[in-house]
Formats: sequence, structure tokens, C-alpha cells
Amino acid sequence: KAGVTQTPRYLIKTRGQQVTLSCSPISGHRSVSWYQQTPGQGLQFLFEYFSETQRNKGNFPGRFSGRQFSNSRSEMNVSTLELGDSALYLCASSVSRPDTQYFGPGTRLTVL
Amino acid sequence: KNEVEQSPQNLTAQEGEFITINCSYSVGISALHWLQQHPGGGIVSLFMLSSGKKKHGRLIATINIQEKHSSLHITASHPRDSAVYICAGMRDDKIIFGKGTRLHILP
Repeated sequence: KAGVTQTPRYLIKTRGQQVTLSCSPISGHRSVSWYQQTPGQGLQFLFEYFSETQRNKGNFPGRFSGRQFSNSRSEMNVSTLELGDSALYLCASSVSRPDTQYFGPGTRLTVL
Repeated sequence: KNEVEQSPQNLTAQEGEFITINCSYSVGISALHWLQQHPGGGIVSLFMLSSGKKKHGRLIATINIQEKHSSLHITASHPRDSAVYICAGMRDDKIIFGKGTRLHILP
């Protein structure tokens, strides 16, 4: 089975722009979670989607949003980018919730 | 104070040594994950446990719900075990991460 894939792997944007990141879960997995990892804060939970519904949201501003499609693929969007949004964004999928999560390689976003 | 605390933050050991990484949490959790992150960012889920003990190869994870404590042990450590190990508690369907333990095994 193919693992979790994330695109793009690297991205450079400037302040004020918006960005969309994509995550394709393992086939058969219905839950997708998104995380932000920075050197200062470590890993932080962004949100979780299950069967196209957002089930949980972490403590992030409304500029961070996401969605899940009927094929379980998920996208997250960050609008009005700030320098502090520079981070590794990871998604993870699982069969159901709660369950062992399988992580993608991440998208490294740099905001200039 | 973080809800999930790990110790030590950094650990350097010789190949072959027995390694223990500790994780304490101050909130109620339904399950605890141990994750391994290699340089470059890739994260692998090692264990998810809610009670007792699990073993996979040279890795052993234990959890004591009453004491709110979990340990990850590595037997016969090897340089390829060098990575950051992160524990994460599941609470109300959210995951709370520890800051990680950076492990360096010297050949």
C-alpha cells in the first residue's frame, strides 16, 4: 500500500500570500489530521477531518482552514501568511479514530 | 508547565546501551503515542498504547495510567536509532505532544 503523500514538499511564499497544501491518505483511511512543527513550539495539532467533517480543531487562528473530500484526500489552506507560519506541515491518516496514525513526509513552508 | 513532559531532552549513548526515555502527563488521556522522527522530518508511529506494555523488535513501551507515566525502552541500541522520540497524549480526540527527546547513539 502506498503511504501518505503530501504535496508540495517544499514551498516558498511571501507575507500576505495564501497557500494550499494537499494530503492523500493511505487507501482506506478515513481520518486525516494536520500538524504544524516549528523549532520553538514543536509539534502542534491543527485539525482533524473524518468522513469529510472537521471533528477537532487546535488552537490556531481562523487563517488556518482545511477540508476533506469524499475520497478522503484533504487540503489545508493558510491565508494572509505571516513569517511565523514558516514550519513543517505534517498530515497523518488513520483508519478510524482514535487509531494509529501514519504520517506523511511533510510540506516545508518558508514565508519570506 | 506543558501537559506532556519528556525527559531527558537530549541523550547520547554508546552503541549497545539500554536506553530509556520517559514521558509524564498531567491531564487525563485515552491513549499515548510514541513517535520517531529522523533528520529530514519523516515521522514514524512506533506505538499507540492505553495500558500495559507493547514490544516491537528492540523497542518496548510501557504505560502506567495511575502514575500518568510512560517509558520507551530501546535494547541493544544502534546508531540507526539516532532520532528524536516524541510522546503524545490523546485527549478529547486531540493530540498533545511532548517536546521530544533527541537521541544520539555513538558507534
